[in-house]
Amino acid sequence: DAGITQSPRYKITETGRQVTLMCHQTWSHSYMFWYRQDLGHGLRLIYYSAAADITDKGEVPDGYVVSRSKTENFPLTLESATRSQTSVYFCASRQRVNTGELFFGEGSRLTVL
Amino acid sequence: AQKITQTQPGMFVQEKEAVTLDCTYDTSDQSYGLFWYKQPSSGEMIFLIYQGSYDEQNATEGRYSLNFQKARKSANLVISASQLGDSAMYFCAMRGIKTSYDKVIFGPGTSLSVIP
Repeated sequence: DAGITQSPRYKITETGRQVTLMCHQTWSHSYMFWYRQDLGHGLRLIYYSAAADITDKGEVPDGYVVSRSKTENFPLTLESATRSQTSVYFCASRQRVNTGELFFGEGSRLTVL
Repeated sequence: AQKITQTQPGMFVQEKEAVTLDCTYDTSDQSYGLFWYKQPSSGEMIFLIYQGSYDEQNATEGRYSLNFQKARKSANLVISASQLGDSAMYFCAMRGIKTSYDKVIFGPGTSLSVIP
């Protein structure tokens, strides 16, 4: 099915481990985004990408790394996970048009012990 | 820098009544877009409505309307005739079009509870 999918949906890891959250979209949308959702903070932008090989920092980029070698994929890596990175992570994409809404994945719940 | 403020952490509304969810924003962009999203308890993000900064008329989508006051930098969501299914978190979001390079940022959200 077309759409935007995230994997894994649930992940438990330990402090210091590397974790990669995957995001794949089938619409060929130019823009892709990673957000984290925490109670009281809403969704905070981690990184975003305007096209393949073009990425930029959002509001809370520290501790995260992204890449975008192909238009359809936008993985988010926590190089050394910390407890403060326990959160729900949402990937989103949108077209390159002014009114383009964001389409969201189902979210990935990450717990760092 | 862009910022979205939603000052109402929680709201209650009687079924069939109208409710206004507040959103104020700050941006240095001359051109920008404003969105509202709904997140029910199941967790998915549902797009509700969009307003461009140069749109002359307030956006409407069914029972949703956006009360856009550019000079006040506010973009309040009005839900008419509330239904039990409207109980959810509501997020205001903004996209900067030039200097912010299409970043989309969200506010902290408002939790709406519709009372039968």
